[in-house]
Amino acid sequence: GAVVSQHPSRVICKSGTSVKIECRSLDFQATTMFWYRQFPKQSLMLMATSNEGSKATYEQGVEKDKFLINHASLTLSTLTVTSAHPEDSSFYICSSNSPGVAGGLSTDTQYFGPGTRLTVL
Amino acid sequence: QKEVEQNSGPLSVPEGAIASLNCTYSDRGSQSFFWYRQYSGKSPELIMSIYSNGDKEDGRFTAQLNKASQYVSLLIRDSQPSDSATYLCAVWSRWGNTGKLIFGQGTTLQVKP
Repeated sequence: GAVVSQHPSRVICKSGTSVKIECRSLDFQATTMFWYRQFPKQSLMLMATSNEGSKATYEQGVEKDKFLINHASLTLSTLTVTSAHPEDSSFYICSSNSPGVAGGLSTDTQYFGPGTRLTVL
Repeated sequence: QKEVEQNSGPLSVPEGAIASLNCTYSDRGSQSFFWYRQYSGKSPELIMSIYSNGDKEDGRFTAQLNKASQYVSLLIRDSQPSDSATYLCAVWSRWGNTGKLIFGQGTTLQVKP
């Protein structure tokens, strides 16, 4: 399957600082990437859909000014958690659809990056 | 609200038995269905995708889809301790001109040696 990487895998930061997480598609071009957050013992919750060359689409309840998403190229999307607080501590995972149906939004399989564990002290 | 429901478990089966994991979904227009396996502390890993009614087999795994009943299941034959993980059912749902994966809360499977 398609390969998606994330960096860093783990980050610990002080409250009030900003953290940037990178998500890369290694063997395909991804026009759309997805950012999820997962708290312990809970399922994945979609935060936003990242579209190359345009603004991200945020899910209801997700602060777009706090979680800045940039998708400047077809292989890289970044999520910046600004002014992080302990309640932002979570497992952040990106994903992308593998190349599939031409035209329209592919419903092909989503492949996930390995995730980034964020701990805010 | 489009939803995907799973029994959180834990589902405990002895080694070598068949594990049966179930999932229901609310969006009748959904066309794409997925099962992911997630080990503790790791990201989800795709096991199966299914798009048509009926069964789809891949090794020890069989996915079953019944769109009329809005029901998806995953059977794991000859369960192994290494199959112990959380299994996430996911359904692709259309939202206007876009779409997204809706996840169930996951079922924890424990395979006992």
